Order: sequence, then structure tokens, then C-alpha cells
Amino acid sequence: EAQVTQNPRYLITVTGKKLTVTCSQNMNHEYMSWYRQDPGLGLRQIYYSMNVEVTDKGDVPEGYKVSRKEKRNFPLILESPSPNQTSLYFCASRNRGEQFFGPGTRLTVL
Amino acid sequence: GESVGLHLPTLSVQEGDNSIINCAYSNSASDYFIWYKQESGKGPQFIIDIRSNMDKRQGQRVTVLLNKTVKHLSLQIAATQPGDSAVYFCAESNIGGGSYIPTFGRGTSLIVHP
Repeated sequence: EAQVTQNPRYLITVTGKKLTVTCSQNMNHEYMSWYRQDPGLGLRQIYYSMNVEVTDKGDVPEGYKVSRKEKRNFPLILESPSPNQTSLYFCASRNRGEQFFGPGTRLTVL
Repeated sequence: GESVGLHLPTLSVQEGDNSIINCAYSNSASDYFIWYKQESGKGPQFIIDIRSNMDKRQGQRVTVLLNKTVKHLSLQIAATQPGDSAVYFCAESNIGGGSYIPTFGRGTSLIVHP
């Protein structure tokens, strides 16, 4: 089954404790991206990647890092999480047009 | 389930009615538009897309209309069903301009009453 998977689905952590949210897709898509979704603001792109070893900032990259060492994986790294990064995070991959989203990761930073 | 937005515009319809959801986009240079459906607790799901060289595109029970003059996009759902209840939002991109950063609308909550 074609899908985008994210782990963990839920995470509660404390300020400053480094964390990684993994994302994997099995559709051999070149383009992958990370979004955060906040009430009243809609989806905002954090980072995107056009291909292996190629990453670019989206609208809200501050406080986040990504890596793309292999095509299927695109982890999101929060080196020092802060409470304003409490949000619902989505990973996505796409071919030419249609974008496939993962199920989301609910992150709470205390 | 997850709450994806507070105080979203809401459209309530009866099962079997046609629904029309509207979206005003901001960038006159945008050339690619997508409608997504997001059910509670799930990620957004692609419904239909349209490029700026078209003004109408039809899918299964859905039609997207694009009016570039007034920067307006609409999604029409025929014979709405309870399973259509979700948050719907549009996204715009300027693919021709080399931008791969889509801008998403805040969404409209569709409630279908049986």
C-alpha cells in the first residue's frame, strides 16, 4: 500500500530535549516536505526536499532541521524544542502534482 | 479526533444536497491549485487539482472552478454524503515561478446531516 508513515504519532517532551520525528514514504517520490498545522493558521511548510541531499527552507524553518540521506526518509529534527513548537506536524511526499500526507504527529513541548 | 482549526467557517448541508466551498487566494502569479479534505485525526487528502490554464476540472462527484480574474477557487461536491463531512482547504503554488512552497487556506468545515 502506497503510504507516508510518521513516528511517533504523539509525543510530549520538555523544553530543550532534542527530538526527531521520522518520516518514510514507499512511493519512490523525489519531493518530500514537512508542515506544521496550528489552529487559525492552517498548514505552513517548514522544510522541503527536492531529492536526496537537497533541502530548502519553507515558510517557518526556524528551530528545525532536516536531512535527506536517502530517498524514502526525511526526518524532522528539533535540536532544542520550545513551547511554541507545540503543534501538529505532517510529512508529505509528492510526485508531479498529488501530494500524499502522513497521519500526523502531535507534539507537545512543556 | 484532532482539532485542525478553531472558528473555521462552517457549511452545513443535508445529505443529497450539492455543496459549494469557496476559497479566495492571494497571489495572482499562482498557477497551480489543489483542494484537500482533512477528516478528524487524519492527514490532508488530495481531492482534485487545477492549473491556471483551465477554469474548470471535474472529478468523481467533485468539480473545481477557477476564476483568475477575482482570484477565486471553488469546490463543488455533488450529492453530498455523511462521509464528506470534513475540513476542506485549498492550496496555491507558483510552480512556473519555481516556488515549491504552497500557501494553504485556513479551511472550511463541511457538516453533512443525514
